[in-house]
Amino acid sequence: DGGITQSPKYLFRKEGQNVTLSCEQNLNHDAMYWYRQDPGQGLRLIYYSQIVNDFQKGDIAEGYSVSREKKESFPLTVTSAQKNPTAFYLCASSIPRGPQADTIYFGEGSWLTVV
Amino acid sequence: QKEVEQNSGPLSVPEGAIASLNCTYSDRGSQSFFWYRQYSGKSPELIMFIYSNGDKEDGRFTAQLNKASQYVSLLIRDSQPSDSATYLCAVSMNTGFQKLVFGTGTRLLVSP
Repeated sequence: DGGITQSPKYLFRKEGQNVTLSCEQNLNHDAMYWYRQDPGQGLRLIYYSQIVNDFQKGDIAEGYSVSREKKESFPLTVTSAQKNPTAFYLCASSIPRGPQADTIYFGEGSWLTVV
Repeated sequence: QKEVEQNSGPLSVPEGAIASLNCTYSDRGSQSFFWYRQYSGKSPELIMFIYSNGDKEDGRFTAQLNKASQYVSLLIRDSQPSDSATYLCAVSMNTGFQKLVFGTGTRLLVSP
């Protein structure tokens, strides 16, 4: 089945540790995204990538890093510099639909908790 | 100022009724508008998108767009308890890269 796979689904991080969330898609989509969602909040964009070996900061990139070495993969590292990392992390991908907009599809999400 | 605003709810409707969810946006240059449904603890799933003024129907769902008034709405006809979820409005801003901006969502409760 085609889709977006995120792992792990649940992750616990100790203070001061870096952790990496995996995101793989087999939809042959060019663009990939990472969003963060806090309880009762909307989705906020962390990083996005339109093409392999290129990525841009979103609205809340501080304390996060990404790489895009393969079209299928867009891992997110939550560094110790991220002051409040406990949240639901969503990876997404999209393919352009003409001049209008990218329709974004989401993976199942990863829950990160700092302990 | 929030770019995409939604009433957080909850919006409570009885089974079989029409649920009306509203969203306003601030950027007049916005081009594309999306509705996502999100069940508790799950990821958002796309319900509909709309680009042009007017109505767009898909089964029990109708999206309505009014660019002059800068609002977009989602109507759910014959609401079912399984429709109980949070509905996220997302707008593609008129920037070089059309990234989506999400509202905080409206929680819908459909009672049997």
